Amino acid sequence: GNSVTQMEGPVTLSEEAFLTINCTYTATGYPSLFWYVQYPGEGLQLLLKATKADDKGSNKGFEATYRKETTSFHLEKGSVQVSDSAVYFCALIFRLRGYQKVTFGIGTKLQVIP
Amino acid sequence: GAVVSQHPSRVICKSGTSVKIECRSLDFQATTMFWYRQFPKQSLMLMATSNEGSKATYEQGVEKDKFLINHASLTLSTLTVTSAHPEDSSFYICSASWGGNQPQHFGDGTRLSIL
Repeated sequence: GNSVTQMEGPVTLSEEAFLTINCTYTATGYPSLFWYVQYPGEGLQLLLKATKADDKGSNKGFEATYRKETTSFHLEKGSVQVSDSAVYFCALIFRLRGYQKVTFGIGTKLQVIP
Repeated sequence: GAVVSQHPSRVICKSGTSVKIECRSLDFQATTMFWYRQFPKQSLMLMATSNEGSKATYEQGVEKDKFLINHASLTLSTLTVTSAHPEDSSFYICSASWGGNQPQHFGDGTRLSIL
């Protein structure tokens, strides 16, 4: 079946450091890939998405490229800020018998220190 | 962007009470809504998927009679936790999508505490 493997955290970085959070997937068909962010005590917010191979999603300085050859969708940011501290979830959305299905990674907690 | 409103944000009640949580898509029609449960420091656990006008599809291990889901319209789904007990205390999150491979948009969650 479809699955998402996400690096376990927590990840602790200093402000302005480079961020990579790894995400790989297994899937049949043509899923869409997403990154969501969850701030403490809140629901999930869509951060970025990519709907087909080689698409690059980007938002708020974050980027991720849908790489079919390596089945990956790694999240990157060139210079993190304290306000980026949150939990990041990689997700795969696909259709099964006409209905939407979703698989989430375990979430990676990012802590940015001043 | 797409907005999903979830209400209430926090509920504290006595054991044995039934609690209803609402999930509304404010600016789009959601053909599918999802209900999740999240335990502290863990990922989301999908409880059920509800499609407008049809019965919800529950994930394995989720009690249908305990967690009643109604998706009465394209903008509203409700989750009722019947006769709640302390072990039902958790963070419940809904999401909505207009289907296909489109993203899910999440509510802000409901913190349920059963005393």
